Amino acid sequence: GAVVSQHPSWVICKSGTSVKIECRSLDFQATTMFWYRQFPKQSLMLMATSNEGSKATYEQGVEKDKFLINHASLTLSTLTVTSAHPEDSSFYICSARADRGLNEQFFGPGTRLTVL
Amino acid sequence: KQEVTQIPAALSVPEGENLVLNCSFTDSAIYNLQWFRQDPGKGLTSLLLIQSSQREQTSGRLNASLDKSSGRSTLYIAASQPGDSATYLCAVRDNYGQNFVFGPGTRLSVLP
Repeated sequence: GAVVSQHPSWVICKSGTSVKIECRSLDFQATTMFWYRQFPKQSLMLMATSNEGSKATYEQGVEKDKFLINHASLTLSTLTVTSAHPEDSSFYICSARADRGLNEQFFGPGTRLTVL
Repeated sequence: KQEVTQIPAALSVPEGENLVLNCSFTDSAIYNLQWFRQDPGKGLTSLLLIQSSQREQTSGRLNASLDKSSGRSTLYIAASQPGDSATYLCAVRDNYGQNFVFGPGTRLSVLP
């Protein structure tokens, strides 16, 4: 299958700082990208969906001003956690799909964020 | 709103046993269903993808079935090995194709 990478794989930051996580599709052009959050021993919850060149669509309860998503190119999406707090500590996983339709979705390896 | 549940939440079996993991979903209007494996602290590894028109898919020791009308899927693992120990996630994709809804997962431990 296609490859999706994330960087960094883990990050530790102080409360109040901002953290940027990158998601790249390495061997295909990702028209649509998704960001998920996973708390310990819980399943993945979709945070937002982004289509290249458009604003992201956020799920209910996800603060768009806190979790900034930029999908500026067909191979790169970024998630910026602004003014991070300890409760934002989580595992963030991105996913990418080659079109806006029904092709298979591929998942990145995840980024572990710890906010002190 | 689609909801996905998985039973059991955790399972511990001796090596060599055959086992079945269950997944249920509330809205049968799905586009496909996918089983994933997740190792601790890691991302997702896709195991099997079943389109809504299919009844089952097989890969090696894994077999996944889909009964869309009853909102159920099972993942069958034959001759389990300690290396199979992981969390297994079931996810369904709706007919509009945009969103995956994940189940809570089954945490499997295969004891040597």
